[in-house]
Amino acid sequence: DIQMTQSPSSLSASIGDRVTITCRASQTMNINLNWYQQKPGKAPKLLIFAASNLHTGVPPRFSGSGSGTDFTLTISSLQPEDFGTYYCQQSYSTPPYTFGQGTKLEIK
Amino acid sequence: QVQLVQSGAEVKKPGASVKVSCKASGYTFTNYYIHWVRQAPGQGLEWMGLIDPVDGRTTYAQKFQGRVTMTRATSTSTVYMELSSLTSDDTAVYFCTRDLGGGSYFDYWGQGTLVTVSS
Repeated sequence: DIQMTQSPSSLSASIGDRVTITCRASQTMNINLNWYQQKPGKAPKLLIFAASNLHTGVPPRFSGSGSGTDFTLTISSLQPEDFGTYYCQQSYSTPPYTFGQGTKLEIK
Repeated sequence: QVQLVQSGAEVKKPGASVKVSCKASGYTFTNYYIHWVRQAPGQGLEWMGLIDPVDGRTTYAQKFQGRVTMTRATSTSTVYMELSSLTSDDTAVYFCTRDLGGGSYFDYWGQGTLVTVSS
């Protein structure tokens, strides 16, 4: 099974900051990497699919990059509504469809 | 619009079974696989398995093999997930979600169903 490791596990940033979250896969996996945002008490929402493609309706301040084993999610200018927990998920070698452990983002 | 609407919260005793439903609308039911993902309190997301609505074929995570059963009713565009032999470790929010298959992504999610296992 492919294991996904995110870093950091949590971070606190200010409005307007550039924020980067990293996801590392235990083996190379092309670009089959997706990112989700989850707010407390809600279902996850798809942000980025296939490493760098913005899902419909997602603000362009979100972007994704990477391939192979290392991937990043970047928020170019942090907004108040961006708090929550972010998860990466691989769909390259399935089953299982594995998620990272999550990165909790707090607004300072 | 695409919607996945799940059944309501459940409270079960240890050893019991629970059956959660997920009703799809706004798209062609048989065009997307339905997956189940759970989230224990304060924890991350855990994939449980999937069902192909076309023929009912299932694939389960090894952890849940023998304890989970996923079925579908094409006449009502509804998928069911039944989990048996419940323990307190199964207390979690259970989500259904869909994908196209072939290395795709989960683009729409149900609202989640809280299952509480307590004596």
